This record gives sequence, structure tokens and C-alpha cells, in this order.
Amino acid sequence: NAGVTQTPKFRVLKTGQSMTLLCAQDMNHEYMYWYRQDPGMGLRLIHYSVGEGTTAKGEVPDGYNVSRLKKQNFLLGLESAAPSQTSVYFCASRLQGTVTEAFFGQGTRLTVV
Amino acid sequence: DQQVKQNSPSLSVQEGRISILNCDYTNSMFDYFLWYKKYPAEGPTFLISISSIKDKNEDGRFTVFLNKSAKHLSLHIVPSQPGDSAVYFCAVYLRGTSYGKLTFGQGTILTVHP
Repeated sequence: NAGVTQTPKFRVLKTGQSMTLLCAQDMNHEYMYWYRQDPGMGLRLIHYSVGEGTTAKGEVPDGYNVSRLKKQNFLLGLESAAPSQTSVYFCASRLQGTVTEAFFGQGTRLTVV
Repeated sequence: DQQVKQNSPSLSVQEGRISILNCDYTNSMFDYFLWYKKYPAEGPTFLISISSIKDKNEDGRFTVFLNKSAKHLSLHIVPSQPGDSAVYFCAVYLRGTSYGKLTFGQGTILTVHP
């Protein structure tokens, strides 16, 4: 029972490079989220999705794009990485329709140099 | 516009004593509140929650209190143990919104000394 799996766990990018972070969940959850964690800033919501084919902006969406082509996967893309995007990224998922907790992945540590 | 604030970046407590972590929110329409715990190099894990129709919820050593008039949430850990040392985040959820948005505070680093 894997839960929420994030790929990759670590990555170093050069400024201007692009990459995609993958989040996969096997709990048949409708809602999925991408957060970034920075010192003193807590967990800030980047984008989220309420179901396959739908996405919405969170608090800090600039510089990121997302896609939810399959219910179990939520992709976070950086088209042109900037040093300000150096952070730890967390994906989470939860059930729709009930006030339940979100389950988080282990995180992806991204460094942009 | 920070809707959820944890004003204490850190808290240090002796083993066996009480730990009290605080969280303030701005929107009186928030109706579900959660606490998450995070160890280094791991994702946050759910700890305890409370609905806005209650003012207290207990789970073992953990109790969450909600003061709606003050828009204040607190987590009490009694007795505190060294294994409780972690970052604690409060989170709020507004039921009925279109997207089930879950908003977190900045976190408080709890250190429990043996």
C-alpha cells in the first residue's frame, strides 16, 4: 500500500531548465494538492485539483503549471526554473465529500542554481 | 494575506510537561481545523482535528481546543515526550467551497528535552 508517491526525491536544476514532478496516489482520492515548504513560510498551496481533468490555482501559482490527466496522477511542471523555486515540494491527496485529512508524499527537494 | 498564523516559530519543553501550540485564523467561516506533525525528511502526517461545532477534541495525549469567538486554535500535548519533537502545522478547511482548499500555517518547531 504505497499511499502518495513523489518522483523524484531530489533534483538540482540550472536556472532556465524545465522539469516535471510526478505525484501518484493509489487511494482513489479525488482531490490532489501541490505545496511548497520554505523556512518560516509553512506549507503554501501552489495548485490543486478536484478531479481528473480539472485544476485550480492556489496561493503561489506563478512559475508553475499542473496537469491531472489521470485520477491517480498529478504533475507539477516548472517551465523555466528560477532560484526562487528552490524549495521542498509536497504532494497530498484526500477524499472528496468528507472532511478528512490529506495524505502527504515524502517530498521532493529541488535546488535551482 | 495570511489567513492562518502560528506566531511562535519554536517551543522548547521539558519531558513530562505540557506543550501548548497555538494557531490564529482570520476567517470566521472556516469550519474544520486540523493539526499535522512533520519530522525532518518526511511528509506531514495527520494528528488530530476538530469541527467548528465543537470546542474540544481529545485523542490520547493530544487535545485540540477551539475558541471561535477569538478565532484561536490550540494543541495541548500532555505529557510531552522526546518523540514529539517535530514541526507542527495547523490547517483549516472551509467546507462548501468549490475546491476543498486546505490552508496551512507557518508551523511551530517543538523540541522536547529529556
